Amino acid sequence: ETGVTQTPRHLVMGMTNKKSLKCEQHLGHNAMYWYKQSAKKPLELMFVYSLEERVENNSVPSRFSPECPNSSHLFLHLHTLQPEDSALYLCASSQEGATGELFFGEGSRLTVL
Amino acid sequence: DAKTTQPPSMDCAEGRAANLPCNHSTISGNEYVYWYRQIHSQGPQYIIHGLKNNETNEMASLIITEDRKSSTLILPHATLRDTAVYYCIVMKSGSWGKFQFGAGTQVVVTP
Repeated sequence: ETGVTQTPRHLVMGMTNKKSLKCEQHLGHNAMYWYKQSAKKPLELMFVYSLEERVENNSVPSRFSPECPNSSHLFLHLHTLQPEDSALYLCASSQEGATGELFFGEGSRLTVL
Repeated sequence: DAKTTQPPSMDCAEGRAANLPCNHSTISGNEYVYWYRQIHSQGPQYIIHGLKNNETNEMASLIITEDRKSSTLILPHATLRDTAVYYCIVMKSGSWGKFQFGAGTQVVVTP
């Protein structure tokens, strides 16, 4: 148990669907992140939120839309995805000003048909 | 941030020490060395980090060479549960957790 909870753990969606991934952290951290891990590829940083403000968007397509309503919750809204978007989506949190290590959730395994 | 080089894979016998090397020859003075591991289909787990001194915690030890161009992660008594991909990452402190994960080293601990 890392203190970062992701739901759902598994999601199958069609290309025309709209779905959302949810992340909640119980660590009192002030920064949250979305990473993507495709098969046989390294983890890729997608978005960074610090104090609920987006501070990084690594050229992610607009079909991925993040939302951070407060410091404990992070969402990734998905719409009109492509099969190549199938991947493990990992949420993480950290406390800025501390030693900087990330605490990851277990991930949401997404399959786009 | 400096890039790192790790062997793609290594085997280790259960109960023995596992020594995982990492080269980071272009590291700069304000960059830390972090180690994470990822057990299959789980999120990465923080192990340890250091700047220039050797570090030890309940999971592992980190040995950084004096010129800081390489480091070694030591798992003192490897168990089957230590089978994972191990990532060595170099990053400036305060970089908003923007870790650049590479391919890492696949460590397989065998009985």
